[in-house]
Amino acid sequence: QVQLVQSGVEVKKFGASVKVSCKASGYTFTNYGITWVRQAPGQGLEWMAWISTYNGNTNYAQNLQGRLTLTTDTSTSTAYMELRSLISDDTAVYYCARLRGYHFLHPFDVWGQGTVVTVSS
Amino acid sequence: DIQMTQSPSTLSASVGDRVTITCRASQSISSWLAWYQLKPGNAPKLLIYEASSLEGGVPSRFTGSGSGTEFTLTIIGLQPDDFATYYCQQYNSYPFTFGQGTKLEIK
Repeated sequence: QVQLVQSGVEVKKFGASVKVSCKASGYTFTNYGITWVRQAPGQGLEWMAWISTYNGNTNYAQNLQGRLTLTTDTSTSTAYMELRSLISDDTAVYYCARLRGYHFLHPFDVWGQGTVVTVSS
Repeated sequence: DIQMTQSPSTLSASVGDRVTITCRASQSISSWLAWYQLKPGNAPKLLIYEASSLEGGVPSRFTGSGSGTEFTLTIIGLQPDDFATYYCQQYNSYPFTFGQGTKLEIK
């Protein structure tokens, strides 16, 4: 079946980097965009970024630009999210999700299970 | 950026009730709006897309309506499984944005 499986819990120090993976299965990876969303404790959902699995084009939320990098490995149908210079406000559950198509104008129809990232001093 | 304003932030209701959640966009997004359900410990679940299209496998008691800047999610005949937090989201343009969420609680 169509699914996205994310890597496990991460505990990082202030100022470190984290890289979360999102492995897709059950569909043709390069036909659908991947997006990342996070939820901090007690907060709502925050959209982070989108990547084209076809050509690697990206679009980042302005508040994360410069610290966030999305990549993909089409040989393993895996997407990656790397966030650098971590601060306490980055403590959150991070989700990858599939867009129902290539780009915007498509909802997020399949979600990963979420990865808890905790930033501590 | 397009701002999404959702109301109410909390809603108390009973099993069998009809409830409506409203979402307003700061500018027109045509019908490029989705509704998601989020439960603690679970990933968000797509309920409605293109403002009024029901995602496969989602019960028909969920309905979405609206276009432009005003949208609603209605649940008719609440079931125990429906008590969760609901988010609207626009995907008309980047950056995609979510509403603040509506927590549906048991009265």
